[in-house]
Amino acid sequence: KNQVEQSPQSLIILEGKNCTLQCNYTVSPFSNLRWYKQDTGRGPVSLTIMTFSENTKSNGRYTATLDADTKQSSLHITASQLSDSASYICVVSELNSGGGADGLTFGKGTHLIIQP
Amino acid sequence: DTGVSQDPRHKITKRGQNVTFRCDPISEHNRLYWYRQTLGQGPEFLTYFQNEAQLEKSRLLSDRFSAERPKGSFSTLEIQRTEQGDSAMYLCASALETSTDTQYFGPGTRLTVL
Repeated sequence: KNQVEQSPQSLIILEGKNCTLQCNYTVSPFSNLRWYKQDTGRGPVSLTIMTFSENTKSNGRYTATLDADTKQSSLHITASQLSDSASYICVVSELNSGGGADGLTFGKGTHLIIQP
Repeated sequence: DTGVSQDPRHKITKRGQNVTFRCDPISEHNRLYWYRQTLGQGPEFLTYFQNEAQLEKSRLLSDRFSAERPKGSFSTLEIQRTEQGDSAMYLCASALETSTDTQYFGPGTRLTVL
């Protein structure tokens, strides 16, 4: 069964500090991995997407890495801001899924709180 | 605003009532997804449309749930005889059929069943 595990479940850091969120997956065959940011009460917003051949992707202060051999990804947030407080969800897509339910496996997310 | 929109944003209903939610996807997107999300969990897949065809339904989608996308544009999700366990955020996402198939999510409809 395809699974996506995220850690930590929750994290509190001070404004201005860096942090790294982890995502381990068992999805196979692998197509791509996305990180989403979800503000409280809102829908998820895509931050990055990486395919098998990509091992790093940046979007401003967000940098995602992917190790397809160990099936691990991380999301690094640099110089955190109060607006970074949100849930960060890792989503892994299965190759040739045709776009349906079996194609995407969602992690439960990491709840990040930035304190002033 | 050219993103995915959902209506209503919040719905409070009494147990046993029927509710209907609407999703308007990004206009050129041919794929549309419905998810349910409870507190502290990632979204759970409910159903998926490609154009007007409903191609897949999750086991989570009991016979009290029905979704339509009659003209391949907007979609509705109806829940009949609501139960307290139906209380959740209902998310809609749309995507363009490409190799990456990135889904763009709407703001969600928060359902509370009393």
